[in-house]
Amino acid sequence: DIVMTQSPDFLAVSLGERATINCKSSQSVLYSSNNKNYLAWYQHKPGQPPKLLIYWASTRESGVPDRFSGSGSGTDFTLTISSLQAEDVAVYYCHQYYSTPYTFGQGTKLEIK
Amino acid sequence: QVQLQESGPGLVKPSQTLSLTCTVSGGSISSDGYYWSWIRQPAGKVLEWIGRIYASGTTSYNPSLKSRLTISVDTSKSQFSLMLTSVTAADTAVYYCARNGGTYYYFENWGQGTLVTVSS
Repeated sequence: DIVMTQSPDFLAVSLGERATINCKSSQSVLYSSNNKNYLAWYQHKPGQPPKLLIYWASTRESGVPDRFSGSGSGTDFTLTISSLQAEDVAVYYCHQYYSTPYTFGQGTKLEIK
Repeated sequence: QVQLQESGPGLVKPSQTLSLTCTVSGGSISSDGYYWSWIRQPAGKVLEWIGRIYASGTTSYNPSLKSRLTISVDTSKSQFSLMLTSVTAADTAVYYCARNGGTYYYFENWGQGTLVTVSS
């Protein structure tokens, strides 16, 4: 199984400041034949299902604010929120869909400082 | 916009079988290329992919659960189902159904989730 490790586990950021969450996979999730990274990011709020934010490591889902961006390749990925808003308080998960069983990171809880 | 809704008992006794159904609306469960998955999350723990099914009935299971797991589909009812046998307290979790758009694809749509507690 591909193990996904996020850092940090908890993050407190002031409103309007940048938030950065990292995700590392135990093996590359870059598929060489199409040069795509099989990596997604989700936002999870209590009582709601996870919401897809980013897929193919850097493609923003329709309707997701452009303050959310994804970067990285191979085994190291980053989710960045450029200017934190109050509604961004949530747990964020990375997810690899390169191989089954699909796996998720342990989550990063983002709070307002 | 496709919508998914889980249904089933919220309480299951240890050693019994957990059964859940996901009803798909706003789109066809037989749509070409889409796979239908079950995912769970015990309180305070990591999301765990349980398994998936294609409309044809082809399945793929998480090896950690494979010996206890059956996922089936009923295209006439636009539903797919999960059966997990011999449950223990470790199977207590919020169970989600979700859709992904291909064999190796992210989860585009999720149900609201349903809490299943295993307790006597």
